[in-house]
Amino acid sequence: QQQVKQSPQSLIVQKGGISIINCAYENTAFDYFPWYQQFPGKGPALLIAIRPDVSEKKEGRFTISFNKSAKQFSLHIMDSQPGDSATYFCAAHDYKLSFGAGTTVTVRA
Amino acid sequence: EAGVTQSPTHLIKTRGQQATLRCSPISGHTSVYWYQQALGLGLQFLLWYDEGEERNRGNFPPRFSGRQFPNYSSELNVNALELEDSALYLCASAVGHYTEAFFGQGTRLTVV
Repeated sequence: QQQVKQSPQSLIVQKGGISIINCAYENTAFDYFPWYQQFPGKGPALLIAIRPDVSEKKEGRFTISFNKSAKQFSLHIMDSQPGDSATYFCAAHDYKLSFGAGTTVTVRA
Repeated sequence: EAGVTQSPTHLIKTRGQQATLRCSPISGHTSVYWYQQALGLGLQFLLWYDEGEERNRGNFPPRFSGRQFPNYSSELNVNALELEDSALYLCASAVGHYTEAFFGQGTRLTVV
């Protein structure tokens, strides 16, 4: 059973555009919500993370929005660049990280 | 500071054999997590070790096992390999139960 539901499965965005990836969860015991970026053949790299007492966190071009009452969170990639083309995973933590299924982002130059 | 290192990078085994994968955590990290990432699929939780003890395991058969050594490095063993065990096996380390986990590059296991 997928504890974290992620959408869309893939998306294509033009260079300079905004990429938006959404995740939803049910387990209210989750206490930490990171996003990972993975390039082909590589391990996932921690990108940005948020705790449920914060509604938004921004680091450079990456922003997490968190809605505790709706049990949803999202990643926004502003001014998308071709180097951002990768698979993005949301995750939620209780004693381990439970991952969403991933979103493949393609940024067209 | 060195990141999480995994060895070997690639491993090819025959069905029915055993595979041993190794992970060295970031210095100071006491928790090691193992995940399986089959082709095109997400990351499935396998095992969590902390302070030398197995703390939890995911929904995998007992032929997936491992251990954590006194220096916090870890080993994943997969017995009686099956074709569907072919996947990227990822190790992550964290400071105890602290939530920020960092992944290694993975071991690509191919079962033929």
